[in-house]
Amino acid sequence: DQQVKQNSPSLSVQEGRISILNCDYTNSMFDYFLWYKKYPAEGPTFLISISSIKDKNEDGRFTVFLNKSAKHLSLHIVPSQPGDSAVYFCAASAGTSGSRLTFGEGTQLTVNP
Amino acid sequence: NAGVMQNPRHLVRRRGQEARLRCSPMKGHSHVYWYRQLPEEGLKFMVYLQKENIIDESGMPKERFSAEFPKEGPSILRIQQVVRGDSAAYFCASSPVGARLDQPQHFGDGTRLSIL
Repeated sequence: DQQVKQNSPSLSVQEGRISILNCDYTNSMFDYFLWYKKYPAEGPTFLISISSIKDKNEDGRFTVFLNKSAKHLSLHIVPSQPGDSAVYFCAASAGTSGSRLTFGEGTQLTVNP
Repeated sequence: NAGVMQNPRHLVRRRGQEARLRCSPMKGHSHVYWYRQLPEEGLKFMVYLQKENIIDESGMPKERFSAEFPKEGPSILRIQQVVRGDSAAYFCASSPVGARLDQPQHFGDGTRLSIL
């Protein structure tokens, strides 16, 4: 039962353009969502998070949007840079489950110079 | 390095041997989480520990796997009688408290376990 899904295994964009990574979830108990970036042979690095009481959170070039009715969130990166090339994981947490994170399968972002 | 430290980075074991993976959380963090990543998949939660306590082990296989976080020293994930299917990357994360808001989990670089 995949409760967090990232339907695009890969995404390729040009440097300077916007990257939009999508994530869908099925568990309505999730109330906290996070995005992590991962380079090969390294651990995930926290990027940005959003609580279910908000619909947008922005941090520099990164913005996360949450649509609770659609159970959908997205990460926007603008402008995209070659150094952003990595695997991006969406993760979710439910208050009733304590602190365990449920991850999506990841999307490989490639930003071409 | 004040980050989450995992060792070894790579571990090779033969079927039937034991694997021990170690994790030292970030300074000031008292909560540790273990996740497993199989090839081409996302990370899957295994266990959540505080010092001397297992808080949530709902993601741990019922047999051969155990975890501890003693009062002194690193957290240990132990896999007994390893099988080929245990080959994966094992990641440890830590946080200062169990609550999630504004306290994201910080991850180590993982241990890549290969079973021959």
